[in-house]
Amino acid sequence: KAGVTQTPRYLIKTRGQQVTLSCSPISGHRSVSWYQQTPGQGLQFLFEYFSETQRNKGNFPGRFSGRQFSNSRSEMNVSTLELGDSALYLCASSQRLAGGPYNEQFFGPGTRLTVL
Amino acid sequence: DAKTTQPPSMDCAEGRAANLPCNHSTISGNEYVYWYRQIHSQGPQYIIHGLKNNETNEMASLIITEDRKSSTLILPHATLRDTAVYYCIVRLEGEDNFNKFYFGSGTKLNVKP
Repeated sequence: KAGVTQTPRYLIKTRGQQVTLSCSPISGHRSVSWYQQTPGQGLQFLFEYFSETQRNKGNFPGRFSGRQFSNSRSEMNVSTLELGDSALYLCASSQRLAGGPYNEQFFGPGTRLTVL
Repeated sequence: DAKTTQPPSMDCAEGRAANLPCNHSTISGNEYVYWYRQIHSQGPQYIIHGLKNNETNEMASLIITEDRKSSTLILPHATLRDTAVYYCIVRLEGEDNFNKFYFGSGTKLNVKP
């Protein structure tokens, strides 16, 4: 099985612009979660999508949004970029089987976003 | 709220066992302990998980204390490729929460020749 793929792998933007990142989960996985990783704050949960619905959300401003498509692919969008948004953005997919915690999350390689 | 406490760094000699401790004193009855590792800016990689009993797989062993307030990840024969940041995570209860991981600061394991 192919792993989680994220595109693009690297991105450079300027302040005030917006950006869209894409994540394709492992085939058969219906849950996609997004995380932001920075040197200062570490790995922080952004949100999770399952069956095209946002299931949970972390403590991030409304500039961060996401969506999930019927094929489980997910995108996240950051509007009005700030310098502090420079980070590695990771997505993770899981099967999210009902009633079980055994379905681990598989992470993609991440998208490195640099805001100038 | 990471709910876990780990030492910031540890050293281990190549070929020796690496024992990485984690404190999770506020863990609830049905919350699982998961371990992931991250090798230099790659995505985190799943290692092992457990609830009450000790667990072993091809990568590692997980020892959970009887009171479940702490655990130890054991890499039996560490290699240079095991140099990474290791994260101990308490997986929250509730279907809406269990994919919301709190990674904490992790332990940087340095495996030395």
